Amino acid sequence: GAVVSQHPSWVICKSGTSVKIECRSLDFQATTMFWYRQFPKQSLMLMATSNEGSKATYEQGVEKDKFLINHASLTLSTLTVTSAHPEDSSFYICSAREDSNSPLHFGNGTRLTVT
Amino acid sequence: GIQVEQSPPDLILQEGANSTLRCNFSDSVNNLQWFHQNPWGQLINLFYIPSGTKQNGRLSATTVATERYSLLYISSSQTTDSGVYFCAVRVTSGSRLTFGEGTQLTVNP
Repeated sequence: GAVVSQHPSWVICKSGTSVKIECRSLDFQATTMFWYRQFPKQSLMLMATSNEGSKATYEQGVEKDKFLINHASLTLSTLTVTSAHPEDSSFYICSAREDSNSPLHFGNGTRLTVT
Repeated sequence: GIQVEQSPPDLILQEGANSTLRCNFSDSVNNLQWFHQNPWGQLINLFYIPSGTKQNGRLSATTVATERYSLLYISSSQTTDSGVYFCAVRVTSGSRLTFGEGTQLTVNP
């Protein structure tokens, strides 16, 4: 079945530093990847949609300069949290699909803690 | 945008019991998925079911698209079934997947 690999699974960083999270589709080509954020005991909130080779589309309220998304190939998307602050601490999950009619497959998530 | 409501929000079962989780949505959809998020945060894709009925072992799901709801059945529940079950839908004209708030299931031994 379709596998999405996300790394790292957890990361602790200091305020002001940047963190990069990778999302890879291992056995299919992902034309579209999505990045979600999840706070404790809440649902997933879509942050942005990225299509290979084009700029990401950010949801309202998500700072594009803070959450940099790059989708340089059909199997890799990255999310960089720039100048991280403690309020950026959260669970970040990526997902990918092969085409618009395909189901969505999720990575295992990255738990970010900013101290 | 589309509204997705899941019920119940919380459910506690004894091992071996059966349960039904419900997902109501406010607009036509061309994609509906059920996910299980385990205590470690991993989202497991259970069903891709925009309409009809599917079964996978102890789990089955039914979506009645014309009436805008989907049901997830869990039979002979096990402690490993514990976690949060999410329903997510995509409207016909859009591409984003909208999640419900989830049902927190706890199965006690």
